[in-house]
Order: sequence, then C-alpha cells, then structure tokens
Amino acid sequence: DIQMTQSPSSLSASVGDRVTITCQASQDISNYLNWYQQKPGKAPKLLIYDASNLETGVPSRFSGSGSGTDFTFTISSLQPEDIATYYCQQYDNLPSFTFGPGTKVDIK
Amino acid sequence: QVQLVESGGGVVQPGRSLRLSCAASGFTFSSYGMHWVRQAPGKGLEWVAVISYDGSNKYYADSVKGRFTISRDNSKNTLYLQMNSLRAEDTAVYYCAKSGLPWATYNWFDPWGQGTLVTVSS
Repeated sequence: DIQMTQSPSSLSASVGDRVTITCQASQDISNYLNWYQQKPGKAPKLLIYDASNLETGVPSRFSGSGSGTDFTFTISSLQPEDIATYYCQQYDNLPSFTFGPGTKVDIK
Repeated sequence: QVQLVESGGGVVQPGRSLRLSCAASGFTFSSYGMHWVRQAPGKGLEWVAVISYDGSNKYYADSVKGRFTISRDNSKNTLYLQMNSLRAEDTAVYYCAKSGLPWATYNWFDPWGQGTLVTVSS
C-alpha cells in the first residue's frame, strides 16, 4: 500500500505570509494527488486536483505542484479564513485512496 | 447546486448493524461513482468504500472489508452503506462524496456531504 506523509503536521503563520505544505508518497504516483481543506466542524472541500489544477471557485492564492513522490501545496498570502487542516490524497494505487495525516494551519 | 445529505447515524452497540443513506441532488446521480469516507473523532480522513456509477464495481478499505456493504439506488438518487458487526473503532463521522468526473470512479472527491456521526459503544 502507498503511504502518504505530510509536513509539517502543524504551522502558525501571520496574515499575508506565504505558507507551504509538502506531501510525500511512498512510491511514484505520477500526478494523481489532490488537496482538500477542512475547516473545524465542516466537511472537507476540494481545492486542487491532479497535483496542480485549481478547482473552480477556489481563490488563486492556493496552488499545487509536483509529480512522482513529492508534492507541494502553497497559500501565497495567508488569510484569516484559511485557518483549517489541509489533507493530500492519492488515487494512483487503486482501488485504495489514501489520505495524508493532515497539516493544521493557524494564524500567529 | 450539488447537494449530498447523509442520514442514519446514531449510537449502536458493538456487534450490531446500522445503515447509512446519502440523498443526492443537483446532478445526474447515475453518471457518477460515489464514495464513503470517515473521520474518527479528532483524527484524519479514511476512505471506506467506493461504488461505480452503475453499481457494477465496489471496493472497500481493508478495515471494513467483509463487514460493510456499499450500494446505490439510481432510481432514488441515493447511496447506502450497510455496516455490520460494528466495532468501537468504527466510531466516526461518515461522509458521502461524489467522484469528480462522470463515468470515471477513480479520481477525487467533490463535493462532500455534511457527514453523519456513528458512535459504537455499549
């Protein structure tokens, strides 16, 4: 089974800061990597699909990159409404879909 | 707009059964694969099961294989999860989610329902 790791597990940044989260797969997953945002008490929401494609309606300050085993998720300018936990998810190793452990983002 | 509404959660004793439902609207339900994903209290996300758009293919996480059954009724725009032999470790919020692309089951989850809480406790 493919294992997904994320770092850091949590971070605290100031409004306007650039925030970067990394996700690593235990084997090559091409670009079959998605990113979700989950705000406290809410369902997850898709932000990025296939590593770098921004879901319709998602602000352009969110972006993703990478392929193979190493992926990056970036918030170019952190906003107060971005407080959430962010998860990566792979779908290369079908029919299993694996999530990373999550990265909790707070405002400093 | 696309809407997914789960129901059927509650408190159940270990070893008992429960059936969750997910009512879908705002899209052509019969064209999309559907998933169940769960989240234990304070924990991360765990994919549970997927069913193809026509119900012909079903896959499960190892942790629920043989105990849970995913199904769908395309005439009622409803997804189900039959959960048998429930264990304490099945306690979680259960979300239904739509596959991101029509006809193709294996991609992303978009959108998600609001979730329904299942608590397994004596």
